[in-house]
Amino acid sequence: QSALTQPPSVSGSPGQSVTISCTGTSSDVGNFNRVSWYQQPPGTAPKLMIYEVSDRPSGVPDRFSGSKSGNTASLTISGLQAEDEADYYCSSFTSSNTYVFGTGTKVTVL
Amino acid sequence: EVQLVESGGDLIQPGGSLRLSCAASGFTFSSNWMHWVRQAPGKGLVWLSEINGDGIITNYADSVKGRFTISRDNAKNTLYLQMNSLRADDTAVYFCATGNYLYALNIWGQGTMVTVSS
Repeated sequence: QSALTQPPSVSGSPGQSVTISCTGTSSDVGNFNRVSWYQQPPGTAPKLMIYEVSDRPSGVPDRFSGSKSGNTASLTISGLQAEDEADYYCSSFTSSNTYVFGTGTKVTVL
Repeated sequence: EVQLVESGGDLIQPGGSLRLSCAASGFTFSSNWMHWVRQAPGKGLVWLSEINGDGIITNYADSVKGRFTISRDNAKNTLYLQMNSLRADDTAVYFCATGNYLYALNIWGQGTMVTVSS
């Protein structure tokens, strides 16, 4: 199972919006609405930010939103803040009854 | 407080075996699917395995199938990962995780480091 493809890095100024893409196949992202997104600051455990493509767990700011089109899911961070600087990973359930993570994207706040 | 605490990480020689543990507290352990995820130094997250609440159903990533075995002891609220035939590329921080959201992991341990080296 190959990792989902994410851009290595994205950046934006405070207050701007950034979008991270996550491209898979018809065996994972394209076939299930079971895509989640995780935020991981350096040296810490991942934190769930989005589940089932676009739902937010309690406590996650509504600046974070998710969507999906075909084999590509996206995470958008609106009103970028310094505290959003971290690595972000997507994940999807697969047709093999396994999970696969994305390659990871480093978000830099300029 | 909901908590997962991994232990058992160590420096191990190639070809060796190691068992990781994950102690759970603050939730009904036997009701949750439990997962193992690892992260090599400076690299991304890799999903390894999952096990259902009663321990009957297990799934594995191709990269560890046949070498790693996930199991659980619900009486001890503990998850395990038995790792055999370890290789240098198994060097990573190993996280246990679970969730109360569908197909997502919102509860993570702090991780335990496994180093495979001679």
